[in-house]
Amino acid sequence: GQSLEQPSEVTAVEGAIVQINCTYQTSGFYGLSWYQQHDGGAPTFLSYNGLDGLEETGRFSSFLSRSDSYGYLLLQELQMKDSASYFCAVHFGNEKLTFGTGTRLTIIP
Amino acid sequence: NAGVTQTPKFQVLKTGQSMTLQCAQDMNHNSMYWYRQDPGMGLRLIYYSASEGTTDKGEVPNGYNVSRLNKREFSLRLESAAPSQTSVYFCASSESGQGYEQYFGPGTRLTVT
Repeated sequence: GQSLEQPSEVTAVEGAIVQINCTYQTSGFYGLSWYQQHDGGAPTFLSYNGLDGLEETGRFSSFLSRSDSYGYLLLQELQMKDSASYFCAVHFGNEKLTFGTGTRLTIIP
Repeated sequence: NAGVTQTPKFQVLKTGQSMTLQCAQDMNHNSMYWYRQDPGMGLRLIYYSASEGTTDKGEVPNGYNVSRLNKREFSLRLESAAPSQTSVYFCASSESGQGYEQYFGPGTRLTVT
């Protein structure tokens, strides 16, 4: 089976940098996606790592290391609106995603 | 473009009642999905459809049926609702070959009493 682990909660200061980790116990997957979900809202796609290494999209970056079974989402210049839940998800190439249980990020002034 | 739309937004059912959740997308995507999300948990795949006329079970299909009515519409049916099916249901769609980037609807909040 597949297992993805994320910290349940993270708190960070406005303007700072925060890293949300995702470790997994699965193989044969194509890549790792990240989604953001505000309270009461729908998940929205943030980034995808199909290859090992760093992908940068504005203030957000995502990293994947298959050899370490590990990935992370890095958020820079944190803003209050970044308070949300963040989910990693493994992509198996057959169109399906398996989601982690999510990390609730709280930004404090 | 409306993206992915879902109806209804909220629903309360009694145990044993049936209902159908509707989903439509206007992005011409081939792949569509139904997920459920319980408090403090991630999304779990119920069913998905890789193209019109095909459907496949996901992680938690028991108690649900689906219909891919056409390329735009993918419905989820609860034949006999149970309290364990109280959840938020999300529909999503994606381009073929790009299942890593899914577009989600606003969700249906279902309570079964």
